[in-house]
Amino acid sequence: GNSVTQMEGPVTLSEEAFLTINCTYTATGYPSLFWYVQYPGEGLQLLLKATKADDKGSNKGFEATYRKETTSFHLEKGSVQVSDSAVYFCALVDTSYGKLTFGQGTILTVHP
Amino acid sequence: GAGVSQSPSNKVTEKGKDVELRCDPISGHTALYWYRQSLGQGLEFLIYFQGNSAPDKSGLPSDRFSAERTGGSVSTLTIQRTQQEDSAVYLCASSQGGVSGELFFGEGSRLTVL
Repeated sequence: GNSVTQMEGPVTLSEEAFLTINCTYTATGYPSLFWYVQYPGEGLQLLLKATKADDKGSNKGFEATYRKETTSFHLEKGSVQVSDSAVYFCALVDTSYGKLTFGQGTILTVHP
Repeated sequence: GAGVSQSPSNKVTEKGKDVELRCDPISGHTALYWYRQSLGQGLEFLIYFQGNSAPDKSGLPSDRFSAERTGGSVSTLTIQRTQQEDSAVYLCASSQGGVSGELFFGEGSRLTVL
């Protein structure tokens, strides 16, 4: 079946550092790919998405590019802020009815 | 409503008791999903509703787990004879349906089984 593998955390960075969180997937076909974020005390929310190969999703300074040749969707941000501290989940849409399969989640902590 | 609402936000129960967790989806959202978030397990899919029917129950871990949805709106997840391994955060999400994958999540119900 389809699956998503994320780099294990936690990840701890200083403010303004460069962030990469790796995500690879196994799937039949080319499903849409997502990054969801869970801020402390809040529900998961969609951060960005890409629906086909070579698409780049972007939001709030975060970017991820759908790479079918490496089956990857790595999340990047050039300069993180303390407010980016959260849990980040990579996911793919698994079915025709929008069911998502998630990675394990990566805890990011950004220090001033 | 403005967002997905879940209750209770926290529930502590004794092993063997039954618990009910409630989800109020965003008004007009026809699709509703339950997930479980536990340490070391990530986010596990439990069940999907389209309207009041549940065409995908493949993630329910045992027959102690059941869920229903009424009026195409509110959903209740019931866990009977709770066990310590049921301790987790139970998340509900809703969407307008289809394959978009853009789900709107509630804040979850944290269940602790003593």
